[in-house]
Amino acid sequence: QQQVKQSPQSLIVQKGGISIINCAYENTAFDYFPWYQQFPGKGPALLIAIRPDVSEKKEGRFTISFNKSAKQFSLHIMDSQPGDSATYFCAASEGSARQLTFGSGTQLTVLP
Amino acid sequence: GAGVSQSPRYKVAKRGQDVALRCDPISGHVSLFWYQQALGQGPEFLTYFQNEAQLDKSGLPSDRFFAERPEGSVSTLKIQRTQQEDSAVYLCASSSPGLAGYEQYFGPGTRLTVT
Repeated sequence: QQQVKQSPQSLIVQKGGISIINCAYENTAFDYFPWYQQFPGKGPALLIAIRPDVSEKKEGRFTISFNKSAKQFSLHIMDSQPGDSATYFCAASEGSARQLTFGSGTQLTVLP
Repeated sequence: GAGVSQSPRYKVAKRGQDVALRCDPISGHVSLFWYQQALGQGPEFLTYFQNEAQLDKSGLPSDRFFAERPEGSVSTLKIQRTQQEDSAVYLCASSSPGLAGYEQYFGPGTRLTVT
């Protein structure tokens, strides 16, 4: 049972463009939604995270949009760069349980 | 060290062998998690420690998997009688409560290949 659904599976964007990755969740008890970036051979690295009490959070070129009623959240990467080419995972966790439930990942390629 | 470290980085085991994977969390982090990442998939939760107490092991796929953290710092994930389906990257993450909240910091992983 996939509790966090992520799309698209792969994404190709031109340098300078906007990359958008979407996630939907089912468990309404989730209260923490991070995004991770993973390069080949490396562990996931935390990019940005949001709690359900806000609808948007921006850090540099990365923005999370959160829609609690639709149970959806998305990552926007502005001015995408070739160095952003990596696999991106959305995730969610519930209260004190803390373990993360991950989406299936999006492989982003930014063309120079 | 500054981050989570894991060893070995790569492990090749013959089917039926036992393996032990080590995780050194960020100093002072009380929470430690193990995840399994199959090729092309997102990490999946295995087990969770708070200090030395194993609070959740619901993700361990079988009784061949065992994890411990006896002194509340270093943790070891042991897999007995390895099977081909155990081939995956095993990730360790640590976190600590505080202003940062739930952030988990991952190590580079151990890639296990069972032949």
